[in-house]
Amino acid sequence: GAVVSQHPSRVICKSGTSVKIECRSLDFQATTMFWYRQFPKQSLMLMATSNEGSKATYEQGVEKDKFLINHASLTLSTLTVTSAHPEDSSFYICSASLGRNEKLFFGSGTQLSVL
Amino acid sequence: QKEVEQNSGPLSVPEGAIASLNCTYSDRGSQSFFWYRQYSGKSPELIMSIYSNGDKEDGRFTAQLNKASQYVSLLIRDSQPSDSATYLCAVPNTGGFKTIFGAGTRLFVKA
Repeated sequence: GAVVSQHPSRVICKSGTSVKIECRSLDFQATTMFWYRQFPKQSLMLMATSNEGSKATYEQGVEKDKFLINHASLTLSTLTVTSAHPEDSSFYICSASLGRNEKLFFGSGTQLSVL
Repeated sequence: QKEVEQNSGPLSVPEGAIASLNCTYSDRGSQSFFWYRQYSGKSPELIMSIYSNGDKEDGRFTAQLNKASQYVSLLIRDSQPSDSATYLCAVPNTGGFKTIFGAGTRLFVKA
């Protein structure tokens, strides 16, 4: 099956710093990738849809200036959490699919802890 | 807002029993349906997919779909302690570009 690689797996940072998370499709081209956030004991919440070569589409309530998404190539999407604060601490997961109505392939997730 | 509803549980079953997980969805235009398993601190992994009405079996897992009732379920036979996890029902919306997840059902299999 398709493989999605996410890095880093864990980040601990000070409040006010920015953190970049990378998501790569290793053996397929992903024109669309998805970024999710998950708080403890809660479900996945879609943050944004990342489209190669164009601006990301953000879900309602997600600050696009705080969560910067760049999808510069068919195999790489990045999420940058700018000026991170403790309330941004969460599990961030990227995913990609092979097409419409298809299953999702998930990255391994990034646990962000902001002190 | 299209929704996917699941009982959050926890659902507790003894080892060897059948675990039954249920899900309803609101988008009548949805064409595909997925069950993902998520262990604590890990990302989800696909367990089953189903596209047409009826049952689909894969090993100990059976997915059931009833589009008229907008209902999809997952049965786990001969439950094992290693099946203890959160099970997420996922339904792409009409058009298939965005997948909506249920809140997940936490399953505990007691040895």
